[in-house]
Amino acid sequence: EPEVTQTPSHQVTQMGQEVILRCVPISNHLYFYWYRQILGQKVEFLVSFYNNEISEKSEIFDDQFSVERPDGSNFTLKIRSTKLEDSAMYFCASSERIYQETQYFGPGTRLLVL
Amino acid sequence: GESVGLHLPTLSVQEGDNSIINCAYSNSASDYFIWYKQESGKGPQFIIDIRSNMDKRQGQRVTVLLNKTVKHLSLQIAATQPGDSAVYFCAEAEYGNKLVFGAGTILRVKS
Repeated sequence: EPEVTQTPSHQVTQMGQEVILRCVPISNHLYFYWYRQILGQKVEFLVSFYNNEISEKSEIFDDQFSVERPDGSNFTLKIRSTKLEDSAMYFCASSERIYQETQYFGPGTRLLVL
Repeated sequence: GESVGLHLPTLSVQEGDNSIINCAYSNSASDYFIWYKQESGKGPQFIIDIRSNMDKRQGQRVTVLLNKTVKHLSLQIAATQPGDSAVYFCAEAEYGNKLVFGAGTILRVKS
């Protein structure tokens, strides 16, 4: 069964460093998303991406964040200068279509900023 | 702002019993709802979804009920098994692709 994959599973970084989280969405899906979940809290929407453009972004997704689809299979989330409060699980998701369509989530990357 | 919330943070059931997990939503414009299951250290796993033009949908051992009048969503799990123990999230979406998640309900199944 096709699934969303994410690497790395864990990432530890120093405050102020740049991190890139990687995702491989399901192959025939056209819509890609990043969500995050701070420990013990809700899953929060960060950004959606379609046709090499951001479709929608939340207030959390400020100038420190960027997304890219560098090739036909990968989808990345970059945090330019990490802060302590960026520590969270980051989930990638993808869907085949946009409207009323199931989003399938990857296993997540646990980011710890020290 | 609009948000999705859950009534019960923890639900304990005996193995074999039926479970009902509830969710209240406040955005009357939401037209798509999903239930996800999340096990420790894993990503949300799709369980079942329902569109706003329906009030009930059934899957394998699961049923989702939608009451738009009172903006309430529920997930029923029949014959609950130990493997059903997890955190369950409801999520809603208005036209578009941003999912708004509820706080989650912990389901504990006692053997």
